[in-house]
Parts: sequence; C-alpha cells; structure tokens
Amino acid sequence: DGGITQSPKYLFRKEGQNVTLSCEQNLNHDAMYWYRQDPGQGLRLIYYSQIVNDFQKGDIAEGYSVSREKKESFPLTVTSAQKNPTAFYLCASSSVDEQFFGPGTRLTVL
Amino acid sequence: QKEVEQDPGPLSVPEGAIVSLNCTYSNSAFQYFMWYRQYSRKGPELLMYTYSSGNKEDGRFTAQVDKSSKYISLFIRDSQPSDSATYLCAMKVPGTYKYIFGTGTRLKVLA
Repeated sequence: DGGITQSPKYLFRKEGQNVTLSCEQNLNHDAMYWYRQDPGQGLRLIYYSQIVNDFQKGDIAEGYSVSREKKESFPLTVTSAQKNPTAFYLCASSSVDEQFFGPGTRLTVL
Repeated sequence: QKEVEQDPGPLSVPEGAIVSLNCTYSNSAFQYFMWYRQYSRKGPELLMYTYSSGNKEDGRFTAQVDKSSKYISLFIRDSQPSDSATYLCAMKVPGTYKYIFGTGTRLKVLA
C-alpha cells in the first residue's frame, strides 16, 4: 500500500524541549516537504528536499531542522528556538509535478 | 497582492447542488494546477491535477483552468454531505520544486 506515513499523530511538548516528527514515503519520490498549517493561514513551507543529503529552507525555517539521509525518510525537528510551535504539521512528497500529503501530526506545546 | 487568492467561505449548499470553487492567481507562468480536499484534522487529498488550460473531469468533479483570466475552478456535481471539507487550490512554481497554496474554502453540504 503506497503512501506517506507520519508519526506520531498527536505530540505534546513541554516548553524548552526539542521534538522530532517522523515522515516516511514508499512512493519512490525524490522530493519531500514539510509544511505547517495554522487556522486561516493556509500551508506554509518549512523545509524541502529535492534529493538525498540536500535540503533547502522554506518560508518559515527558523526554529526547525531537518535531515535527508534516506530517500524514504525526511524527519523534522522542532527545536526550543521555535517560539510558537503549536500547529498541524504536514509532510508531503512529489513526483515530477503532483504533490501528495501525509496524514499530519498535531503538535501541542504545554 | 497574494500570488494565489481563494475565498475562505464557508460556503453552504443543499445536498444535490452544483458547487463552484474558485482561485485566482497572479503569475502567468503557472502551468500545473491542483485541487485538494482536506477533512478536519486530516492531510490534504489530491483530487484533481491539470496541466495548462482546459477542463478535466473525474466522476462528479470537473477542474477548469482559464489561463487568460488567471482563474481556476473546481465544480462538484450532485454534492453530498460527505463532500463537506476544506478545498485547497495549488500551483507549482515554474522551474522549482515548490508549490503555492490558496488558504482554502470551507464547504458545507447540508442534508
């Protein structure tokens, strides 16, 4: 069953902690993405990667970090430097033109 | 001016109605257009993908692109309560791997 998986579905973090969100795809896509979704603001690009061992900052990269050691995996770390991390995080991957999304992770800072 | 504009709604229609959802964009170089459906607390699901101008039909859904007006539409025929969701339009930025999204239109189909 091909697709994109994200884990966990819900994540709670205390202030000052780093947390890592997992994203895995078995679609054999080269490009992968992380977006943040807040109510009324649409999707904002955090980071994207076109190929293994390479990634670029998106529009709101501050306070986030990523790695791309394998084609299938693109984990996102939300660091303590991110001032307002409570949001819905979406991972995506793309073939040549179409982009597909995972189910999302809801992060809440306590 | 935003690159992509989309009315946030909510748009409420009775069951069985024809729904028209729209986006306008400013960059005439956009060639790839997508529509996503997103249920509450779920990831967006790709509904329709269109290249350049024209219409594309898939079941009850029709995507239309008018490049001369920089306007795209998604039509839903015989709308059902299960179509109640937020609909996002998206365009691929030419020469890049990046995509631009509208903010989404909330649709409610009333039984």
